[in-house]
Amino acid sequence: ETGVTQSPTHLIKTRGQQVTLRCSSQSGHNTVSWYQQALGQGPQFIFQYYREEENGRGNFPPRFSGLQFPNYSSELNVNALELDDSALYLCAIHIHETGLSYEQYFGPGTRLTVT
Amino acid sequence: DAKTTQPPSMDCAEGRAANLPCNHSTISGNEYVYWYRQIHSQGPQYIIHGLKNNETNEMASLIITEDRKSSTLILPHATLRDTAVYYCIVRVDNAGNMLTFGGGTRLMVKP
Repeated sequence: ETGVTQSPTHLIKTRGQQVTLRCSSQSGHNTVSWYQQALGQGPQFIFQYYREEENGRGNFPPRFSGLQFPNYSSELNVNALELDDSALYLCAIHIHETGLSYEQYFGPGTRLTVT
Repeated sequence: DAKTTQPPSMDCAEGRAANLPCNHSTISGNEYVYWYRQIHSQGPQYIIHGLKNNETNEMASLIITEDRKSSTLILPHATLRDTAVYYCIVRVDNAGNMLTFGGGTRLMVKP
């Protein structure tokens, strides 16, 4: 039990639509990362938010965007959905402090299907 | 981050030790070895990490070779609930927090 929750658990959208996925956790973290996991593959890093600002991005286009709120919740927004966006979307929280190492705690994910 | 190589799948008998290897021949001196696992339909779960010394916690042991080019994750008494995909990741400890997952090893624990 990581204390990280994601909503919704499953979602079906049509190509071209927009989607918002949510992640929340108990207090005590200042960094949230989002990952995309296609079927049969390992998770791929999308981006990270540190104290409400984007702090690193993987190889994903600008139509993938996010927000982090003061209450420790976070959103992933994807515009102009494509069929290849069908995947499990995972958020991970952790505490980021220079010189220290902390493991990341993942949520259960949101399964997005684009038709 | 250094690239890792893991066997795609392994089987283990319930109650026996599961030894999962990982090669990371290009690892840098400041890169740690992390292990995560992902049970079906769940998010990845942190298991253990280390720099050069062997490490042990309540879940597993991590053995890192002296040259640090490979490591082995040991689950001392595997149970059916240990069936999962195990990911070996090497990364600099505090420079950003992106995890680069490879394909991992699918461990099947059999009765």
